[in-house]
Amino acid sequence: GQQLNQSPQSMFIQEGEDVSMNCTSSSIFNTWLWYKQEPGEGPVLLIALYKAGELTSNGRLTAQFGITRKDSFLNISASIPSDVGIYFCAGPRSSNTGKLIFGQGTTLQVKP
Amino acid sequence: DTGVSQNPRHKITKRGQNVTFRCDPISEHNRLYWYRQTLGQGPEFLTYFQNEAQLEKSRLLSDRFSAERPKGSFSTLEIQRTEQGDSAMYLCASSLGNGGTINEQFFGPGTRLTVL
Repeated sequence: GQQLNQSPQSMFIQEGEDVSMNCTSSSIFNTWLWYKQEPGEGPVLLIALYKAGELTSNGRLTAQFGITRKDSFLNISASIPSDVGIYFCAGPRSSNTGKLIFGQGTTLQVKP
Repeated sequence: DTGVSQNPRHKITKRGQNVTFRCDPISEHNRLYWYRQTLGQGPEFLTYFQNEAQLEKSRLLSDRFSAERPKGSFSTLEIQRTEQGDSAMYLCASSLGNGGTINEQFFGPGTRLTVL
């Protein structure tokens, strides 16, 4: 079945550093979504990507839809302590299904 | 607040008891989803509704689980005869049912279930 693999699994960085994480799949996705989840809360949608090669920004966050449609990347520039959390990539199983498949997450910790 | 809301936020129950959770989606969203999340994992799809119709159920949704959305607005998820393995965060999400943003799902804060 479709699976999303995220790397790295966790990151511990210094405040002010830039962060990169990625998400790969053995199957093609037509949409990529990036979520952030903080402890005890639900995931919050950060960025949605719809076209291969698309680059979309949301503040200090930038995400890219890989050209092969089998991967996506999320970058965070100039990290701050409130960036701490778990970042999930997700994609729909097929074009019109309601089912999102999630990666296992990248845990980000930022040292002030 | 116009986001997705879930009640209760926490539920502790004894094995064998029944529990029911409620989700109120964003008002203009006609799609509503339930997911389950265990520690260290991403959310796993359980089921979803388009208006009041339940369109898909995961095989994770055993016979002890039932979900309803009777009037196409709020939804309930019931677990009968709870087991310790049911302990998890139950997440609800909603989205618009048409258009390019159909897959942009907005999540509630979740209900944390602990089965003793």
